[in-house]
Amino acid sequence: EPEVTQTPSHQVTQMGQEVILRCVPISNHLYFYWYRQILGQKVEFLVSFYNNEISEKSEIFDDQFSVERPDGSNFTLKIRSTKLEDSAMYFCASSGVFSAELFFGEGSRLTVL
Amino acid sequence: DAKTTQPTSMDCAEGRAANLPCNHSTISGNEYVYWYRQIHSQGPQYIIHGLKNNETNEMASLIITEDRKSSTLILPHATLRDTAVYYCIVRAAGNKLTFGGGTRVLVKP
Repeated sequence: EPEVTQTPSHQVTQMGQEVILRCVPISNHLYFYWYRQILGQKVEFLVSFYNNEISEKSEIFDDQFSVERPDGSNFTLKIRSTKLEDSAMYFCASSGVFSAELFFGEGSRLTVL
Repeated sequence: DAKTTQPTSMDCAEGRAANLPCNHSTISGNEYVYWYRQIHSQGPQYIIHGLKNNETNEMASLIITEDRKSSTLILPHATLRDTAVYYCIVRAAGNKLTFGGGTRVLVKP
Protein backbone atom coordinates (compact mmCIF):
# COMPACT_ATOMS: atom_id res chain seq x y z
CA GLU A 1 0.00 0.00 0.00
CA PRO A 2 1.40 3.45 -0.90
CA GLU A 3 2.44 5.54 2.06
CA VAL A 4 3.79 8.93 3.01
CA THR A 5 7.35 8.70 4.29
CA GLN A 6 9.11 11.25 6.48
CA THR A 7 12.73 11.81 7.43
CA PRO A 8 14.31 12.12 9.87
CA SER A 9 12.25 10.24 12.40
CA HIS A 10 13.88 12.23 15.20
CA GLN A 11 16.07 15.31 15.12
CA VAL A 12 17.69 17.10 18.01
CA THR A 13 18.91 20.62 17.38
CA GLN A 14 20.13 23.67 19.23
CA MET A 15 17.94 26.74 19.53
CA GLY A 16 18.55 29.11 16.64
CA GLN A 17 19.61 26.42 14.19
CA GLU A 18 17.89 25.76 10.88
CA VAL A 19 16.03 22.50 10.45
CA ILE A 20 14.66 20.85 7.30
CA LEU A 21 12.10 18.09 7.61
CA ARG A 22 11.51 15.98 4.54
CA CYS A 23 8.49 14.16 3.25
CA VAL A 24 7.83 11.95 0.25
CA PRO A 25 4.11 12.09 -0.45
CA ILE A 26 2.20 9.35 -2.22
CA SER A 27 3.32 9.52 -5.83
CA ASN A 28 0.17 10.60 -7.66
CA HIS A 29 -1.05 12.99 -4.96
CA LEU A 30 -1.38 16.68 -5.66
CA TYR A 31 -2.20 18.26 -2.29
CA PHE A 32 0.33 18.41 0.51
CA TYR A 33 0.12 19.43 4.14
CA TRP A 34 2.17 19.91 7.26
CA TYR A 35 0.71 19.50 10.73
CA ARG A 36 2.37 19.50 14.11
CA GLN A 37 1.58 18.08 17.53
CA ILE A 38 3.22 19.38 20.67
CA LEU A 39 3.46 16.61 23.26
CA GLY A 40 0.11 16.06 24.93
CA GLN A 41 -1.71 18.58 22.74
CA LYS A 42 -3.92 18.54 19.66
CA VAL A 43 -2.78 17.99 16.10
CA GLU A 44 -2.49 21.49 14.60
CA PHE A 45 -2.62 22.52 10.96
CA LEU A 46 0.39 24.45 9.68
CA VAL A 47 0.15 24.77 5.91
CA SER A 48 -1.34 23.31 2.75
CA PHE A 49 0.36 23.34 -0.64
CA TYR A 50 -0.97 22.81 -4.13
CA ASN A 51 0.33 23.54 -7.61
CA ASN A 52 3.66 24.72 -6.25
CA GLU A 53 2.25 27.32 -3.96
CA ILE A 54 0.84 27.67 -0.48
CA SER A 55 -2.96 27.46 -0.56
CA GLU A 56 -3.56 28.05 3.14
CA LYS A 57 -1.49 28.61 6.27
CA SER A 58 -2.22 28.96 9.95
CA GLU A 59 -1.10 31.65 12.38
CA ILE A 60 1.60 29.27 13.58
CA PHE A 61 3.19 29.28 10.13
CA ASP A 62 5.06 32.57 10.46
CA ASP A 63 8.11 33.89 8.61
CA GLN A 64 10.34 31.33 10.32
CA PHE A 65 8.63 28.54 8.40
CA SER A 66 8.78 27.76 4.70
CA VAL A 67 7.77 24.87 2.47
CA GLU A 68 9.12 23.70 -0.82
CA ARG A 69 8.66 20.95 -3.35
CA PRO A 70 12.16 21.05 -4.82
CA ASP A 71 12.18 18.11 -7.19
CA GLY A 72 8.64 16.87 -7.83
CA SER A 73 8.83 14.12 -5.25
CA ASN A 74 10.01 15.61 -1.96
CA PHE A 75 8.03 18.11 0.11
CA THR A 76 10.05 19.92 2.74
CA LEU A 77 9.36 22.05 5.80
CA LYS A 78 12.12 24.43 6.83
CA ILE A 79 12.33 26.19 10.15
CA ARG A 80 14.92 28.93 9.83
CA SER A 81 15.80 29.65 13.44
CA THR A 82 14.34 27.10 15.80
CA LYS A 83 12.87 28.04 19.16
CA LEU A 84 12.27 25.85 22.19
CA GLU A 85 8.53 25.96 21.49
CA ASP A 86 9.07 24.41 18.05
CA SER A 87 9.71 21.09 19.79
CA ALA A 88 6.93 18.86 18.50
CA MET A 89 6.04 15.98 16.23
CA TYR A 90 5.66 17.21 12.66
CA PHE A 91 3.36 15.27 10.35
CA CYS A 92 3.28 15.48 6.59
CA ALA A 93 0.12 14.48 4.72
CA SER A 94 -0.99 14.24 1.12
CA SER A 95 -4.23 13.74 -0.75
CA GLY A 96 -5.04 12.85 -4.31
CA VAL A 97 -7.92 15.09 -5.16
CA PHE A 98 -9.61 18.12 -3.73
CA SER A 99 -12.04 16.40 -1.42
CA ALA A 100 -10.24 13.19 -0.70
CA GLU A 101 -8.97 11.87 2.57
CA LEU A 102 -5.52 12.86 3.79
CA PHE A 103 -2.85 10.23 4.28
CA PHE A 104 -0.36 11.02 7.01
CA GLY A 105 3.24 10.02 7.49
CA GLU A 106 4.58 8.64 10.75
CA GLY A 107 6.02 11.99 11.75
CA SER A 108 9.34 13.63 12.51
CA ARG A 109 10.02 14.36 16.15
CA LEU A 110 11.89 17.65 16.57
CA THR A 111 13.56 18.41 19.88
CA VAL A 112 15.00 21.90 20.31
CA LEU A 113 17.46 22.33 23.17
CA ASP B 1 -15.58 24.19 9.46
CA ALA B 2 -18.25 23.15 11.97
CA LYS B 3 -17.12 22.00 15.38
CA THR B 4 -17.73 18.56 16.83
CA THR B 5 -18.35 17.24 20.33
CA GLN B 6 -17.07 13.85 21.39
CA PRO B 7 -16.79 12.11 24.75
CA THR B 8 -13.32 12.50 26.22
CA SER B 9 -12.81 8.79 26.75
CA MET B 10 -14.47 5.42 26.65
CA ASP B 11 -13.61 1.81 27.33
CA CYS B 12 -14.54 -1.15 25.21
CA ALA B 13 -14.23 -4.90 25.69
CA GLU B 14 -12.09 -6.80 23.23
CA GLY B 15 -14.23 -8.58 20.63
CA ARG B 16 -17.24 -6.38 21.23
CA ALA B 17 -18.47 -3.57 19.02
CA ALA B 18 -17.28 -0.08 19.90
CA ASN B 19 -19.78 2.69 19.21
CA LEU B 20 -18.21 6.16 19.17
CA PRO B 21 -20.66 9.07 19.13
CA CYS B 22 -20.09 12.51 17.68
CA ASN B 23 -22.29 15.59 17.69
CA HIS B 24 -21.99 18.13 14.90
CA SER B 25 -25.19 20.13 15.20
CA THR B 26 -23.90 23.10 13.17
CA ILE B 27 -22.77 21.06 10.18
CA SER B 28 -23.36 22.69 6.80
CA GLY B 29 -24.83 20.99 3.77
CA ASN B 30 -21.49 20.77 1.98
CA GLU B 31 -19.53 19.39 4.92
CA TYR B 32 -18.50 15.77 5.18
CA VAL B 33 -18.04 13.81 8.39
CA TYR B 34 -14.56 12.29 8.64
CA TRP B 35 -13.14 9.91 11.20
CA TYR B 36 -9.45 9.52 11.87
CA ARG B 37 -7.57 7.81 14.65
CA GLN B 38 -4.14 8.24 16.18
CA ILE B 39 -2.45 5.28 17.79
CA HIS B 40 -0.02 6.46 20.45
CA SER B 41 2.11 9.16 18.75
CA GLN B 42 1.84 7.81 15.23
CA GLY B 43 0.46 9.82 12.33
CA PRO B 44 -3.33 10.14 12.15
CA GLN B 45 -4.91 7.32 10.19
CA TYR B 46 -7.95 7.79 7.97
CA ILE B 47 -10.85 5.51 8.86
CA ILE B 48 -13.95 6.54 6.94
CA HIS B 49 -15.99 9.51 5.80
CA GLY B 50 -19.52 10.25 4.61
CA LEU B 51 -21.86 13.01 3.59
CA LYS B 52 -25.35 11.77 4.47
CA ASN B 53 -25.57 8.08 3.67
CA ASN B 54 -24.25 5.41 5.98
CA GLU B 55 -20.87 4.09 4.93
CA THR B 56 -18.97 0.89 5.58
CA ASN B 57 -15.44 -0.20 4.78
CA GLU B 58 -13.04 -2.84 6.01
CA MET B 59 -12.25 -0.88 9.15
CA ALA B 60 -15.55 0.52 10.35
CA SER B 61 -19.11 1.66 9.71
CA LEU B 62 -20.33 5.23 9.84
CA ILE B 63 -23.93 5.95 10.74
CA ILE B 64 -25.11 9.52 10.11
CA THR B 65 -28.49 10.65 11.42
CA GLU B 66 -31.03 11.88 8.93
CA ASP B 67 -30.68 15.48 10.11
CA ARG B 68 -26.86 15.07 9.94
CA LYS B 69 -26.45 16.61 13.37
CA SER B 70 -24.74 13.56 14.80
CA SER B 71 -22.99 10.39 13.77
CA THR B 72 -21.63 7.16 15.20
CA LEU B 73 -18.49 5.32 14.25
CA ILE B 74 -18.80 1.59 14.79
CA LEU B 75 -15.79 -0.69 15.13
CA PRO B 76 -17.54 -4.06 14.77
CA HIS B 77 -15.09 -6.26 16.67
CA ALA B 78 -12.67 -4.18 18.69
CA THR B 79 -9.15 -5.53 19.19
CA LEU B 80 -6.41 -4.35 21.51
CA ARG B 81 -4.78 -2.68 18.49
CA ASP B 82 -7.81 -0.42 18.17
CA THR B 83 -6.76 1.41 21.34
CA ALA B 84 -6.26 4.97 20.08
CA VAL B 85 -7.61 8.51 20.05
CA TYR B 86 -10.50 8.76 17.59
CA TYR B 87 -11.23 12.09 15.93
CA CYS B 88 -14.55 13.09 14.40
CA ILE B 89 -14.03 16.00 12.00
CA VAL B 90 -16.44 17.85 9.76
CA ARG B 91 -14.85 19.32 6.69
CA ALA B 92 -15.99 20.94 3.48
CA ALA B 93 -14.37 19.65 0.31
CA GLY B 94 -10.91 21.10 -0.10
CA ASN B 95 -10.71 22.58 3.37
CA LYS B 96 -8.07 21.60 5.84
CA LEU B 97 -8.73 19.00 8.52
CA THR B 98 -9.07 20.59 11.95
CA PHE B 99 -8.47 18.18 14.80
CA GLY B 100 -10.17 18.50 18.16
CA GLY B 101 -9.48 16.56 21.30
CA GLY B 102 -11.06 13.33 20.11
CA THR B 103 -12.19 10.32 22.14
CA ARG B 104 -9.55 8.23 23.85
CA VAL B 105 -10.67 4.63 23.38
CA LEU B 106 -9.17 1.91 25.53
CA VAL B 107 -9.90 -1.64 24.44
CA LYS B 108 -9.61 -4.00 27.38
CA PRO B 109 -9.03 -7.75 27.28
